Amino acid sequence: DTAVSQTPKYLVTQMGNDKSIKCEQNLGHDTMYWYKQDSKKFLKIMFSYNNKELIINETVPNRFSPKSPDKAHLNLHINSLELGDSAVYFCASSQDGGAVEQYFGPGTRLTVT
Amino acid sequence: GNSVTQMEGPVTLSEEAFLTINCTYTATGYPSLFWYVQYPGEGLQLLLKATKADDKGSNKGFEATYRKETTSFHLEKGSVQVSDSAVYFCALSPLTGAQKLVFGQGTRLTINP
Repeated sequence: DTAVSQTPKYLVTQMGNDKSIKCEQNLGHDTMYWYKQDSKKFLKIMFSYNNKELIINETVPNRFSPKSPDKAHLNLHINSLELGDSAVYFCASSQDGGAVEQYFGPGTRLTVT
Repeated sequence: GNSVTQMEGPVTLSEEAFLTINCTYTATGYPSLFWYVQYPGEGLQLLLKATKADDKGSNKGFEATYRKETTSFHLEKGSVQVSDSAVYFCALSPLTGAQKLVFGQGTRLTINP
């Protein structure tokens, strides 16, 4: 059973389009995250949700909007895609309480042409 | 603010060589420290962690010791294998505030047979 899953694995689209990436975790965790990994492999947090409530929003453009319909799902919607949005996006989850391990999904490689 | 600095890669070693990947951090208080590994085409997996000073994390022959006095968490392995080829990330999770991981820039390791 996959603990943290993301769809799609690859996404190729044109500038200006709107796209969504879905994430689901079956670990029963309360907190979920989105990270962006750029072409140099640098990873940076974008958002974090705890029990469907946004708790971290790290200066991400308004074109990015996370949505958490329930605590097992955290989707990422991106409007008006730009070339600079090309990256690998990772979803992760963790249990509450202190500095705990985060479990990562396999990533979604987004290419904007 | 919180930050993590890793030694620059790429690092190329022969099989059975000794490995050290340096990691130092800047943080308020005493964060938890992690090493994650990313194999080609995959998401991140936790390799080891340490939550307080002088703790040693270990897994799969890898070790790292939380050194408060030098603010370091260097990764070591006595005898590397070809299968250890991957990108290694040092990360911290702050003691207070919202949970998130702050990553170093990653070190690409290649082991030649």
